[in-house]
Amino acid sequence: GENVEQHPSTLSVQEGDSAVIKCTYSDSASNYFPWYKQELGKRPQLIIDIRSNVGEKKDQRIAVTLNKTAKHFSLHITETQPEDSAVYFCAATPGGGGNKLTFGTGTQLKVEL
Amino acid sequence: KAGVTQTPRYLIKTRGQQVTLSCSPISGHRSVSWYQQTPGQGLQFLFEYFSETQRNKGNFPGRFSGRQFSNSRSEMNVSTLELGDSALYLCASSPDGDSGANVLTFGAGSRLTVL
Repeated sequence: GENVEQHPSTLSVQEGDSAVIKCTYSDSASNYFPWYKQELGKRPQLIIDIRSNVGEKKDQRIAVTLNKTAKHFSLHITETQPEDSAVYFCAATPGGGGNKLTFGTGTQLKVEL
Repeated sequence: KAGVTQTPRYLIKTRGQQVTLSCSPISGHRSVSWYQQTPGQGLQFLFEYFSETQRNKGNFPGRFSGRQFSNSRSEMNVSTLELGDSALYLCASSPDGDSGANVLTFGAGSRLTVL
């Protein structure tokens, strides 16, 4: 089955700096790659996603890139703010249809003042 | 538009008991998925229901089961509870779609503690 690896497990940046989180997946048939943000005690919330027919997608300070050949995708957050502090999860949907997501192990992002 | 509603939010059970968790999806969403979240294992897929049929299943023992009703509401059941079943159980709903991946919206979860 699908396997998603996520790095780093923790990331500390200064406010205003950029943060990058990387994920690799194993199933070349995967076609949907969402990123979720989970604040302490809250539900995971979708912040951005990308489909396999697109190489890059941007939404204000957040961007995601996808390299299908290398089977990896990355989350980029620019001009980080304290409210960006949370756990970020990448995920992939393996081929075959349906909404089964395989999640990475999460990255604890801390934005320091 | 109401979000994904899960009940109960918190519950405590003892080993050997069984538990039923409920999920009401966003109106119009026909796909409901369940995930288990623990500090050690992260977010793991349990199963997905679409139009009252199990469409995908994760790698959990048969003690974990689910069902979906005609109004798309879903329940999951865990029988013969073990200490390791203590977790946050998250339900997510997604818009109608027979192929491809759709956006998941998560509920707040049901936190189960097994003593």
